[in-house]
Amino acid sequence: QQQVKQSPQSLIVQKGGISIINCAYENTAFDYFPWYQQFPGKGPALLIAIRPDVSEKKEGRFTISFNKSAKQFSLHIMDSQPGDSATYFCAASIWGQNFVFGPGTRLSVLP
Amino acid sequence: DAGVTQSPTHLIKTRGQHVTLRCSPISGHKSVSWYQQVLGQGPQFIFQYYEKEERGRGNFPDRFSARQFPNYSSELNVNALLLGDSALYLCASSSTTGGGTEAFFGQGTRLTVV
Repeated sequence: QQQVKQSPQSLIVQKGGISIINCAYENTAFDYFPWYQQFPGKGPALLIAIRPDVSEKKEGRFTISFNKSAKQFSLHIMDSQPGDSATYFCAASIWGQNFVFGPGTRLSVLP
Repeated sequence: DAGVTQSPTHLIKTRGQHVTLRCSPISGHKSVSWYQQVLGQGPQFIFQYYEKEERGRGNFPDRFSARQFPNYSSELNVNALLLGDSALYLCASSSTTGGGTEAFFGQGTRLTVV
C-alpha cells in the first residue's frame, strides 16, 4: 500500500513534443506529491509538486495533473527540449515524513 | 545560499568495514532524511531526523544507524558492509515536517563496497 507505481519506464520524445509520465498510488493518506528530475551522477532536484486538494498545477513548461478519485497523477512536459533528458521520479509523502518514490522514467528528447 | 552538502562524494570500502557519511542541511532547515538509491531504482527511505530526534525509520537492517547534531547536520553509519550496500546515499533537507513540506536533496555519496 506504500508503493507508488510509475510508467513508462523509458520515453523517447522529439524536440518540441509533449512528454507525459504517469504515476499511481494506493495509500489515500498521502498528502503531498512531488516530481523530481535527476541527471546522471547528481541528486534528485525538486521540479514541481502538488497537494490532493488541487487538480492541476502549472509551472512554466511543467504541469502536474492530479486525479484524486483515481489515485493517479501525471507530469506533462510541454515543448520538450534535449536538456530535459534525465530520469524523472514521482513521489508521495504523508505529513512530510518519508517520501515513497516511483521507480523512475528515463526521458530522452531527440534534437 | 548553499544547498545540501554531503561528504565524501565517492567512497570505496571493503566488505565488513564500517562507513560514516555526512550531511549538512540547507541553512535554517531542521529536518534531515537519508535515502539509499541503488542504480536504476528510485530512492528508498532510511531515516528521518527532526530537531535531533528520529522521526522515521525505513525497512533497513540495524547495521544502519544515524544521528543529528545540535547544528542540524547529520551522520549515517553503516556497519559490517555488504556488497549489496553499494549505492548512492542521498541526504534530503526540509525546513520543518508536516503536510506539503518540500525536501531538497544533496548530490549524494557514491559508496562502492568491494
